[in-house]
Amino acid sequence: AQSVSQHNHHVILSEAASLELGCNYSYGGTVNLFWYVQYPGQHLQLLLKYFSGDPLVKGIKGFEAEFIKSKFSFNLRKPSVQWSDTAEYFCAVIPRGSGGYNKLIFGAGTRLAVHP
Amino acid sequence: ETGVTQTPRHLVMGMTNKKSLKCEQHLGHNAMYWYKQSAKKPLELMFVYSLEERVENNSVPSRFSPECPNSSHLFLHLHTLQPEDSALYLCASSQASGTGSSPLHFGNGTRLTVT
Repeated sequence: AQSVSQHNHHVILSEAASLELGCNYSYGGTVNLFWYVQYPGQHLQLLLKYFSGDPLVKGIKGFEAEFIKSKFSFNLRKPSVQWSDTAEYFCAVIPRGSGGYNKLIFGAGTRLAVHP
Repeated sequence: ETGVTQTPRHLVMGMTNKKSLKCEQHLGHNAMYWYKQSAKKPLELMFVYSLEERVENNSVPSRFSPECPNSSHLFLHLHTLQPEDSALYLCASSQASGTGSSPLHFGNGTRLTVT
């Protein structure tokens, strides 16, 4: 069965520290890859996405992610985090050709707390 | 403002009650989704409607019954729930796209507590 693994459930950082959140997926075919973020009390929103082309994609708020096909990974990075980045981050994939709708498969999420 | 509105925001119900969750999207999308979000677990896809037709039903117990009367509205009817059904229920919408190129837009969710 297709699945998405996020390696850390909780991450605690100080402001200005660098961030890397791991994400691996299990699916042999072509996928589209996403990172969603959920700020406290807010809805899930798209942070960035990868469909094809340059495997290093840049999203909003200084986030980026790198797709490494050989490792089935799509790790999220930010060089210097801010207190406002405190949120829960979800990696998700859609197998290509899901059939007319977007069957997003999510990881369990990583809760990030950034201390001033 | 997400463009996807869910009501109510919070719901407490007994195991013998019948209630409904409502979702409305104002984005012109033609696919709508119900997800269940439980603590420390991946979001679980429950149901998908594409072009008002149910296209996915992920082994969800029959005590959950979806309804999609048109492309802008989605309901989740609940009856005789169990305490383990307590969770955040998220509605999402997108353009129907087999390539996955249309991101999902989520509502704020309904926090359901079953007592």
